[in-house]
Amino acid sequence: DTAVSQTPKYLVTQMGNDKSIKCEQNLGHDTMYWYKQDSKKFLKIMFSYNNKELIINETVPNRFSPKSPDKAHLNLHINSLELGDSAVYFCASSQGSGSPDTQYFGPGTRLTVL
Amino acid sequence: GNSVTQMEGPVTLSEEAFLTINCTYTATGYPSLFWYVQYPGEGLQLLLKATKADDKGSNKGFEATYRKETTSFHLEKGSVQVSDSAVYFCALSERGGGFKTIFGAGTRLFVKA
Repeated sequence: DTAVSQTPKYLVTQMGNDKSIKCEQNLGHDTMYWYKQDSKKFLKIMFSYNNKELIINETVPNRFSPKSPDKAHLNLHINSLELGDSAVYFCASSQGSGSPDTQYFGPGTRLTVL
Repeated sequence: GNSVTQMEGPVTLSEEAFLTINCTYTATGYPSLFWYVQYPGEGLQLLLKATKADDKGSNKGFEATYRKETTSFHLEKGSVQVSDSAVYFCALSERGGGFKTIFGAGTRLFVKA
């Protein structure tokens, strides 16, 4: 049983396109996250949702828009893709926002912008 | 702001060698500390954690002790295996609109047979 799943695993697209990445968790967690990992493996938080509400919004271009239709799903839509958006994007979840929890990561989506 | 600094890699060891990966942190409060491991092509997974000073986290032969006086959380293993080859991330979790986790830059470990 996959705990945190993401689709697609690989995404290759042209500059200027719009794309979405989907994430689902079946752990019953309340909090979900999006991270960006660059080519040097540096991991940076982008967004966090708790029970469908945005609670962390780092300095991310507004071309990136997260959407949480329910607490088990957190999708990431990216408009007008740029070369610098190429990275691996990880979704994660944790039990709640009331204490520092272990995070459970998805397998990642490797985005390549040409 | 809060931050995590870990030793630069890559670290290359022979099988059965002793491993230390240094991690220090800066925090205004009392964060929880974590080590996560990322195997090739996979997402991160928790290796061990400690939630207060002097706690020792351990798992799969790895250990780390939360040292408040030196603001450190160094990862150690007595005898590494080829299967331990991965990228290791030190992290702290702080309150900030929910709990935000700040990751170190990661340290790549190669273990040779």
